Amino acid sequence: QQQVKQSPQSLIVQKGGISIINCAYENTAFDYFPWYQQFPGKGPALLIAIRPDVSEKKEGRFTISFNKSAKQFSLHIMDSQPGDSATYFCAASMMSGSRLTFGEGTQLTVNP
Amino acid sequence: GAVVSQHPSRVICKSGTSVKIECRSLDFQATTMFWYRQFPKQSLMLMATSNEGSKATYEQGVEKDKFLINHASLTLSTLTVTSAHPEDSSFYICSERAGGLETQYFGPGTRLLVL
Repeated sequence: QQQVKQSPQSLIVQKGGISIINCAYENTAFDYFPWYQQFPGKGPALLIAIRPDVSEKKEGRFTISFNKSAKQFSLHIMDSQPGDSATYFCAASMMSGSRLTFGEGTQLTVNP
Repeated sequence: GAVVSQHPSRVICKSGTSVKIECRSLDFQATTMFWYRQFPKQSLMLMATSNEGSKATYEQGVEKDKFLINHASLTLSTLTVTSAHPEDSSFYICSERAGGLETQYFGPGTRLLVL
């Protein structure tokens, strides 16, 4: 019930394309869903986050789509750039600020 | 977002020695700090949660006597790996959360290599 399933494990996209990463969760008590970006040898950096009271949130080229009934959420990266090549982690938590449960991660490669 | 620093960024030590990793909140008071371990090409694994002025809460399977956590102030938490062994070699990352805020901000990580 505490798990967050993330797919795909790896993703290769051409420059300018759309990168889509999906996550699914079981625990309906989760109420905060952030996405983190991690470059090799660095700590994760918060990209964007969403609460279950909205179905979509957009910040620049990054959009989270949230489907409460399906217990799924996804990250869309529009106009993907080589600089977006990194590992992306979805996460979920119960109650504001409690422990995060992370997905397995997706290694994104954007080819020039 | 918040700024979190970690020191050292890399450490190499001999088996049997102890290593201390510092995590500092540079721009706000962190009531709660989290310590994670990450093996190559794997996700982050929560080791423990520490609240300022109280004992840390360890995740199942994490030895509290081996991984000593101290959160003596609102801006500093330390993780000490005691009697380190090669299997403790990993990437250790801290994160912070200020009271009432839902977001966790991560430090840059510390690469530990135990020979």
